Amino acid sequence: DVKVTQSSRYLVKRTGEKVFLECVQDMDHENMFWYRQDPGLGLRLIYFSYDVKMKEKGDIPEGYSVSREKKERFSLILESASTNQTSMYLCASSPGTGVYQPQHFGDGTRLSIL
Amino acid sequence: RKEVEQDPGPFNVPEGATVAFNCTYSNSASQSFFWYRQDCRKEPKLLMSVYSSGNEDGRFTAQLNRASQYISLLIRDSKLSDSATYLCVVNGEDSSYKLIFGSGTRLLVRP
Repeated sequence: DVKVTQSSRYLVKRTGEKVFLECVQDMDHENMFWYRQDPGLGLRLIYFSYDVKMKEKGDIPEGYSVSREKKERFSLILESASTNQTSMYLCASSPGTGVYQPQHFGDGTRLSIL
Repeated sequence: RKEVEQDPGPFNVPEGATVAFNCTYSNSASQSFFWYRQDCRKEPKLLMSVYSSGNEDGRFTAQLNRASQYISLLIRDSKLSDSATYLCVVNGEDSSYKLIFGSGTRLLVRP
């Protein structure tokens, strides 16, 4: 089974802090993704990466950056946390290109910015 | 128009009922289709892929209509444990590995 592990289930930070969310997958997947999920808005893609050191902006990248130094690890960084970044953050991974490549999700991190 | 549209529900059905959800997608070039299940405050989990010929997995049947650009999920003999939100998922316009998630249809199965 694919295992995607997010470093924290719950996290509380203060406005202006730099926040790091870590994600590790153990299936040698090429692609990794960061989403946030808010009530009524569904899953929104923040950033994704299709290879080591490669990254692409998703639909809502503002206020975030990412790092992928190793294939198995994809980090999401909130440069200066703000209250509107309080959300559920979900990391996912999938194999390479081609059709029918489902994404497998970690447990999620509930982040609260005070 | 949203890329993937679903009726948010909730669908409230008794145990043992048959229930069906539909989902429409806007990109006629999409090639990959899935249904995911998400329990309250949990991560989405893959329920099943949806193939052109239609496919079945136990009590769950998924169908794809490319001409009308919709996907359906049929659940027979509903169980209490089927209560969840069901997300319709389609691959993105610009890549095969980027997926677009619908906002989900909520199902409540009552005793």
